[in-house]
Amino acid sequence: DAKTTQPNSMESNEEEPVHLPCNHSTISGTDYIHWYRQLPSQGPEYVIHGLTSNVNNRMASLAIAEDRKSSTLILHRATLRDAAVYYCILRNYGGATNKLIFGTGTLLAVQP
Amino acid sequence: DTEVTQTPKHLVMGMTNKKSLKCEQHMGHRAMYWYKQKAKKPPELMFVYSYEKLSINESVPSRFSPECPNSSLLNLHLHALQPEDSALYLCASSQESDRVTYGYTFGSGTRLTVV
Repeated sequence: DAKTTQPNSMESNEEEPVHLPCNHSTISGTDYIHWYRQLPSQGPEYVIHGLTSNVNNRMASLAIAEDRKSSTLILHRATLRDAAVYYCILRNYGGATNKLIFGTGTLLAVQP
Repeated sequence: DTEVTQTPKHLVMGMTNKKSLKCEQHMGHRAMYWYKQKAKKPPELMFVYSYEKLSINESVPSRFSPECPNSSLLNLHLHALQPEDSALYLCASSQESDRVTYGYTFGSGTRLTVV
């Protein structure tokens, strides 16, 4: 199964952009890159996903490297409410890895 | 309605008790999931239901028994649990289990303590 590697923790200041990296050097051509986050005392929350092209939605942007071996989740202006564990997950269409399997994620702290 | 509702929010049970966790969604999702999350750890997949049928059991002990009475409801029946089963139990749903272009919607979980 293709795996992802994320830093254990990162810090950011409020109202500044945050770039959360994810390495997935063994990604296959049919793996989708998904991001979820889990705020304290809540269930995980879907953030964004992509395959090859960069993606934007109301929550964040996803920048995918041209070789797809890494990606970056971008929060344009961090707020205190963005403090959470962020998970980068690969899901493969039609395969056993279409399941949503969480790795250890990145704990993001946001300072006022 | 864009939520997954889990009840109860907290549950304390003895090792000889039988209890059930409930999960409900009204988004028309045809796949539903149970996850278990220990403190400071990521969620671990337990069961996958697709179109009301159990499609994946991640080698979960038989003291956990899932049930999907209809497309909106998912239960997890608990019997003879051990203290190490204390955890946050999360329910999730999605359009279909093999559609990787859709996200999962999670509930807030049931915090289970086994004494």
